[in-house]
Amino acid sequence: NAGVTQTPKFRILKIGQSMTLQCAQDMNHNYMYWYRQDPGMGLKLIYYSVGAGITDKGEVPNGYNVSRSTTEDFPLRLELAAPSQTSVYFCASSYDRDGQPQHFGDGTRLSIL
Amino acid sequence: LAKTTQPISMDSYEGQEVNITCSHNNIATNDYITWYQQFPSQGPRFIIQGYKTKVTNEVASLFIPADRKSSTLSLPRVSLSDTAVYYCLVGDRGGNQGGKLIFGQGTELSVKP
Repeated sequence: NAGVTQTPKFRILKIGQSMTLQCAQDMNHNYMYWYRQDPGMGLKLIYYSVGAGITDKGEVPNGYNVSRSTTEDFPLRLELAAPSQTSVYFCASSYDRDGQPQHFGDGTRLSIL
Repeated sequence: LAKTTQPISMDSYEGQEVNITCSHNNIATNDYITWYQQFPSQGPRFIIQGYKTKVTNEVASLFIPADRKSSTLSLPRVSLSDTAVYYCLVGDRGGNQGGKLIFGQGTELSVKP
């Protein structure tokens, strides 16, 4: 069972570069989420989506963009990478928001130099 | 938003029972208590959830006193593979508050041989 798959696992970017973090789930979940986790800290929500075509901001959306064209995929875009965006990024999904726990991917470790 | 407080770190030895207590003094009447486990380089994983008294599954037990202002995650006979960070969350049955997971710093459990 694949669950939530994130690619790439590691990436180094230069300041000002852009990239897209990929996230795919095969559980037919409606809700998908992007979090970032800084060293020694808990996760902070960046964006989330309640279904294809619908996205909304979380706690720390600045510097990021998302899209949800299909149920399965929820890519996260960094347009102008900054050192403050160095973090581990986790994608998660759940069938609905209120009744089911979230399933997480294994993360993308991103360093911006 | 309900805030949770946990010890930052705990040490244990293989074969011991480990109890991690979480304080949530302003838990709401409808809130559930949810615990996630996070191994290094992996995303968090749901392990147990409860509302009151005691809940047990194949991984852990969760004890919740009558006033629900705290809860205790109990891991029986830990092994080295239980070394992880454990997060306590309060919220709806998905663990959410206002539609999102609120992670604190968690408790870093280190199991030694």
